[in-house]
Amino acid sequence: QKEVEQDPGPLSVPEGAIVSLNCTYSNSAFQYFMWYRQYSRKGPELLMYTYSSGNKEDGRFTAQVDKSSKYISLFIRDSQPSDSATYLCAMETGGGADGLTFGKGTHLIIQP
Amino acid sequence: NAGVTQTPKFQVLKTGQSMTLQCAQDMNHNSMYWYRQDPGMGLRLIYYSASEGTTDKGEVPNGYNVSRLNKREFSLRLESAAPSQTSVYFCASKTPGGNGYTFGSGTRLTVV
Repeated sequence: QKEVEQDPGPLSVPEGAIVSLNCTYSNSAFQYFMWYRQYSRKGPELLMYTYSSGNKEDGRFTAQVDKSSKYISLFIRDSQPSDSATYLCAMETGGGADGLTFGKGTHLIIQP
Repeated sequence: NAGVTQTPKFQVLKTGQSMTLQCAQDMNHNSMYWYRQDPGMGLRLIYYSASEGTTDKGEVPNGYNVSRLNKREFSLRLESAAPSQTSVYFCASKTPGGNGYTFGSGTRLTVV
């Protein structure tokens, strides 16, 4: 079983819809949780960064972490065609030196 | 602009050839990383460097070597390229004290 599971999609929704993206993980040592957005042929771009359990909001984006369930989510409100991209969840233990463990990414398509 | 710079952006190699992928960051970060991204596999860690003068293996180090030349630069070398090393390679650096990682724009490598 891979450490981080993420549905690859594609997930297609109409413009203006609320999008929910999710990841599950198995390593209880993960403490820092991130969401990256990656456009085609570009590098990953950090969207949200959270520590431990709880919610964090930034504009149209909300990240949720439930460590008891080993489950993280990203919500996108009022989705726009420009949100069409691959969304990668990533996490680390906090030791700092051993890098991020990524999900495979979810390909999101926002239909105009 | 501050960030992570990778060169070259594209490269085609013949099996058995060698090459070095270059990475430089101007954010004064200590920790730097090399990842590869393959379809259906997500991003996987090849090597990392927690500080100048130190390097450690990640999840998929076989066939690669790295050099942390100074605090800014972290290079990845393929001594004898194989078709299995066809991939997109990303360099990243870690922001101290949390707040995620910054990725370069990637090197698309094809080994024929």
